[in-house]
Amino acid sequence: DQQVKQNSPSLSVQEGRISILNCDYTNSMFDYFLWYKKYPAEGPTFLISISSIKDKNEDGRFTVFLNKSAKHLSLHIVPSQPGDSAVYFCVMDSNYQLIWGAGTKLIIKP
Amino acid sequence: GAGVSQSPRYKVAKRGQDVALRCDPISGHVSLFWYQQALGQGPEFLTYFQNEAQLDKSGLPSDRFFAERPEGSVSTLKIQRTQQEDSAVYLCASSWARGSNGYTFGSGTRLTVV
Repeated sequence: DQQVKQNSPSLSVQEGRISILNCDYTNSMFDYFLWYKKYPAEGPTFLISISSIKDKNEDGRFTVFLNKSAKHLSLHIVPSQPGDSAVYFCVMDSNYQLIWGAGTKLIIKP
Repeated sequence: GAGVSQSPRYKVAKRGQDVALRCDPISGHVSLFWYQQALGQGPEFLTYFQNEAQLDKSGLPSDRFFAERPEGSVSTLKIQRTQQEDSAVYLCASSWARGSNGYTFGSGTRLTVV
């Protein structure tokens, strides 16, 4: 049974607009959450994280929101740029093991 | 090196063949992880080393999978008698400490079993 669900396999957004990627998880014991970004033929790279003691973390154009009661995480990218086109993974940090969603492919249209 | 290096980048194996996948972590990184990523899925944990000690191998799917890191640096993931369901990208990651969000991933080895 999937512990981390990214229900949108792909998302297309106009350049300059906001991209919102969503993620749901099942295990309320998770306390550290990450987003990774992956370009084709490259390894995933860390993007942004949030601890369960917070509900928001911002880093430049990227903001992650955490709703613990709903077990929901979202990543906002604003404004979206062509270089943001990639696969985004929602990840739970379970001690040293990372538990990954299936990913959302974000396409930024010029 | 500057990053995590994995070789080969691509491997085609005939069913039943043994394969060995290599990972060169970032120098000085204590922790090393192997993940398996099937097509259209997120990576799944296979095993974790701290220096040369394999502390967790709970994610290895069968006893055909074996990983080692004898000198605490380079690691090898070996798959014996490969099956079609072993086809996946195998990712290696390293970090300077356990539990850090500073994992650096390699580009992976894409294994195709025919």
